[in-house]
Amino acid sequence: QSALTQPASVSGSPGQSITISCTGTSSDVGGYNYVSWYQQHPGKAPKLMIYEVSNRPSGVSNRFSGSKSGNTASLTISGLQAEDEADYYCSSYTSSSTLLYVFGTGTKVTVL
Amino acid sequence: QVQLVQSGAEVKKPGASVKVSCKASGYTFTSYDINWVRQATGQGLEWMGWMNPNSGNTGYAQKFQGRVTMTRNTSISTAYMELSSLRSEDTAVYYCARDHGGGGYDFGRGQGTLVTVSS
Repeated sequence: QSALTQPASVSGSPGQSITISCTGTSSDVGGYNYVSWYQQHPGKAPKLMIYEVSNRPSGVSNRFSGSKSGNTASLTISGLQAEDEADYYCSSYTSSSTLLYVFGTGTKVTVL
Repeated sequence: QVQLVQSGAEVKKPGASVKVSCKASGYTFTSYDINWVRQATGQGLEWMGWMNPNSGNTGYAQKFQGRVTMTRNTSISTAYMELSSLRSEDTAVYYCARDHGGGGYDFGRGQGTLVTVSS
């Protein structure tokens, strides 16, 4: 089971929108709606931003939204702010026999 | 509010074992699965396994089968992850995370536990 594929880096200016992709297979992203997204600032624990493809936990800004098409999930951050600069990871349930959940390779978001 | 407080950093020699604790508060401990995730320095997240604190049932990633054991003490709302036969590649920050539902985990702003394996 390989990690889900994310772009290594994405950047944008304050106020802009950016989208991070997360590509898997029909055995994970494409086969289930258990896709989640995490934000991680340096030296901190990951924070759940999106679960079940597009749901936001209480307290997460509505500037963050999630979607899925086929084997690719996406996280969109609108109205980009300096505090959004962080690493982002996707995760998906998988039907692999070797593990239950798989993470993405991670994306560094830079606010220009 | 979910709080997960983990034990402190550990330094271990190759071949040794380490046991990390995760004390939960702010919710009913036995109502949500606990997952363990690790992150090597500068690397991505890696799912290790899960435990149901109510039943004690567990599921481990094949990569760790035979080396990892996840247990709990419900009387003190604490989960444990023990990793044996440590090697240098196990040097990482280990996180516990509560199941959120819908495939998500809540790390509860936990600090993680740095385990360093070095001779």
